[in-house]
This record gives sequence, C-alpha cells and structure tokens, in this order.
Amino acid sequence: EAGVTQFPSHSVIEKGQTVTLRCDPISGHDNLYWYRRVMGKEIKFLLHFVKESKQDESGMPNNRFLAERTGGTYSTLKVQPAELEDSGVYFCASSPYSGRETQYFGPGTRLLVL
Amino acid sequence: DQQVKQNSPSLSVQEGRISILNCDYTNSMFDYFLWYKKYPAEGPTFLISISSIKDKNEDGRFTVFLNKSAKHLSLHIVPSQPGDSAVYFCAASYTGANSKLTFGKGITLSVRP
Repeated sequence: EAGVTQFPSHSVIEKGQTVTLRCDPISGHDNLYWYRRVMGKEIKFLLHFVKESKQDESGMPNNRFLAERTGGTYSTLKVQPAELEDSGVYFCASSPYSGRETQYFGPGTRLLVL
Repeated sequence: DQQVKQNSPSLSVQEGRISILNCDYTNSMFDYFLWYKKYPAEGPTFLISISSIKDKNEDGRFTVFLNKSAKHLSLHIVPSQPGDSAVYFCAASYTGANSKLTFGKGITLSVRP
C-alpha cells in the first residue's frame, strides 16, 4: 500500500510569488491534515479535512493560505503571495477515521522563500 | 505559548543502554499522548501512544510513562540501538480537538555504537 505522498519535495521561490503544494493521502483515508514545521520549532497544525470538508482550520496563519480538497481525494495548499516567514517544511498526514487514529505522515515539502 | 515542551534538544547514549526522552505539557485538557520518530528527509512515523486513563504503555523496546499530576511523560527505549538515532517528537491531543495534534520541538537522539 502506498503511503502519503507530497509534491514537490522542495520548492525555492521569491517573496511575492505563489506556490502550490500537493498531498495525496493513503487511499481510502477520509481524514487529511496539513502541518508545518518552521526550522528548529515544533510541528504546528494548520488544518484538517474530512473528505472534502474543512473540519478545523484553526491553525491557518492568515488568508494568504488556501487549502482545498476537491472530491475528497488529494489536497492542495496554496500560498499567495509567499512571505519570508512562510519558509519551512509542510507535512501532510492522513488517517482513516477521526479521533484517536494514527496519523500517517508524508515526507514533507521543504519550502524556502527568498 | 508552547503547550507541549521538550526541553532537552538532544540526547546521546551508548548502544545497549537505556534512552529516556522527556516531555512536559501545560494543557490539562490533553488526554491522549503520542510519540513520533523522524529520520532526516522523511515524515514523522508513529511510535507509541498512551491514553490518560493509563500510566504506562509498552511495545517491545519502547515504553511510555505518563504522570498526569506532574503533566509529564517519558519515552524509554531499552536497549537502545544505533538505528534508533532520530528526532523524537512528543504530541498530544484531547477529546473534542478533532484529531488535531499539538507537537513539541523534538529531541535528537544519538545512539553511539
């Protein structure tokens, strides 16, 4: 069974540009999460989808971030326009159910904003 | 404000000895705790968890202890192996948090052969 995949693995962009990150969860997992780790700090929750619906988006930093999960399969996270402080590793995770289910993480997308 | 704290950034132990990784939390609503392990360029991998109704959970070489009154948990690895060298994240959630995990900063464990 394929794990959570994320694309791209790395992205270097200039301040003010737009970047779109993609996450493909494990097949059949209704729950999809986005997290971010800024260098040297904790991994922080961004948002949680159940199928195509946003269950919790309390961690989204501001309105420059837009997450979608059309059709309840893969998800995209768009940053527009990117700022220097958006640099970090963006992780996606999925689980079959909500609650106390193990979240399976992807390898992350390393974003550097110059 | 950090609700999950891993105050020691790194730990080095000899192969075969015990590794003890500590974690403290401040939010008394947390009732479920997890440890994740992360290798470079990979995502975190689930290791072990514990519910607040227990004070100990064991899985092979890994044991997690929970002290609710002290708001403290620890991960014991016995015996430690070089392949255990990684970053270990403590995470917590609570009923009603919609599965949201709150992580600590992580501890880098190095196991010397």
